[in-house]
Amino acid sequence: DAGVIQSPRHEVTEMGQEVTLRCKPISGHDYLFWYRQTMMRGLELLIYFNNNVPIDDSGMPEDRFSAKMPNASFSTLKIQPSEPRDSAVYFCASSSTSGFGYQETQYFGPGTRLLVL
Amino acid sequence: GESVGLHLPTLSVQEGDNSIINCAYSNSASDYFIWYKQESGKGPQFIIDIRSNMDKRQGQRVTVLLNKTVKHLSLQIAATQPGDSAVYFCAENGPDPRLTFGEGTQLTVNP
Repeated sequence: DAGVIQSPRHEVTEMGQEVTLRCKPISGHDYLFWYRQTMMRGLELLIYFNNNVPIDDSGMPEDRFSAKMPNASFSTLKIQPSEPRDSAVYFCASSSTSGFGYQETQYFGPGTRLLVL
Repeated sequence: GESVGLHLPTLSVQEGDNSIINCAYSNSASDYFIWYKQESGKGPQFIIDIRSNMDKRQGQRVTVLLNKTVKHLSLQIAATQPGDSAVYFCAENGPDPRLTFGEGTQLTVNP
């Protein structure tokens, strides 16, 4: 299994530009999570999906952030317009639900390192 | 200038020694616990997990202990190697699929 795949791995952009981060979850997983990690705040959950449906987006910082999951194998996190304070590492993670209804382990992708100048 | 950010607890050990990393959790409803390892420049990597119906689980060189009475979780690494140097996070969840992460511990293995 290739694991969770994220692209791009690094992104440098200028303030005001649109940034789109992409994620391919592990095949068969029904949950997808977007996190942001900074030195100041650690790992923060931004939004998560279950069966392609957004369940909780309370962690999304503001309206400049949006996320979509058009199908079970693809999700995007978009920032428009980007600001320097958005500079962080963005992780995507996915997990599955066991046959007993238990939440299984979340597996993380390698992250996208975003720098907004 | 002085850097401002999370000040992670640190643990420094000699190569070959055993390491113990501790984690306290607060949610009594949590029933699933995970340890992640995060190396510099990489994403968190699953190490081992345990459910609340167990108090000990062993993997390859790692053991997780769960004490539900005092809401304490620990990760033991046997014969620590330089490649074990990383930040280690505990995480928990229950019926809610969202993970709650601990603050992390920086493990440094000295050769």
